[in-house]
Amino acid sequence: GESVGLHLPTLSVQEGDNSIINCAYSNSASDYFIWYKQESGKGPQFIIDIRSNMDKRQGQRVTVLLNKTVKHLSLQIAATQPGDSAVYFCADPPGGTSYGKLTFGQGTILTVHP
Amino acid sequence: DTEVTQTPKHLVMGMTNKKSLKCEQHMGHRAMYWYKQKAKKPPELMFVYSYEKLSINESVPSRFSPECPNSSLLNLHLHALQPEDSALYLCASSQDGTGGVQPQHFGDGTRLSIL
Repeated sequence: GESVGLHLPTLSVQEGDNSIINCAYSNSASDYFIWYKQESGKGPQFIIDIRSNMDKRQGQRVTVLLNKTVKHLSLQIAATQPGDSAVYFCADPPGGTSYGKLTFGQGTILTVHP
Repeated sequence: DTEVTQTPKHLVMGMTNKKSLKCEQHMGHRAMYWYKQKAKKPPELMFVYSYEKLSINESVPSRFSPECPNSSLLNLHLHALQPEDSALYLCASSQDGTGGVQPQHFGDGTRLSIL
């Protein structure tokens, strides 16, 4: 079964608002997580990653928070823009002998209204 | 623009045809991947190549035949496909795992339609 899952399949926000997309994982041994953005007609685009020795990591307008206690991570997008409209996936790529067996969550569709 | 290039962008083929999908990367990555993505679903892993050798086959039917001729190229040969094989086929690459898990970088895919 899937090791990651998302709480909400869709999220609609107004331009300029902050967006929060959540993801839960089940494998307590997971130590690396990635957020991808997939726009219509394109492949998944790497946004940001975080390793388990961190609780928070910031990028340009994006922040990922990791709560290992409850096995939850979130992606926060500041001042959301129409160009942020896409499907967002979290993923927890394994290492070791399973290296490369990337499993995606179901995805959250973010719609930004002007 | 992605650094993983896939050709063709669109492909329509009959069930008796033989065709190939191509993927190229010049990032020096030694791991390459094929995924299948159906509409409104996440990508599903098909194959993993590490140092030009097949390391993972996720029980993919033999009508899909991967090939990695060198460290920059990855092909997916198609033969006798079924209508349910219509999907977006994504290629990805990453650094190898010797330094720890690394992110995969995706191309924009080939949209395949089987008539």
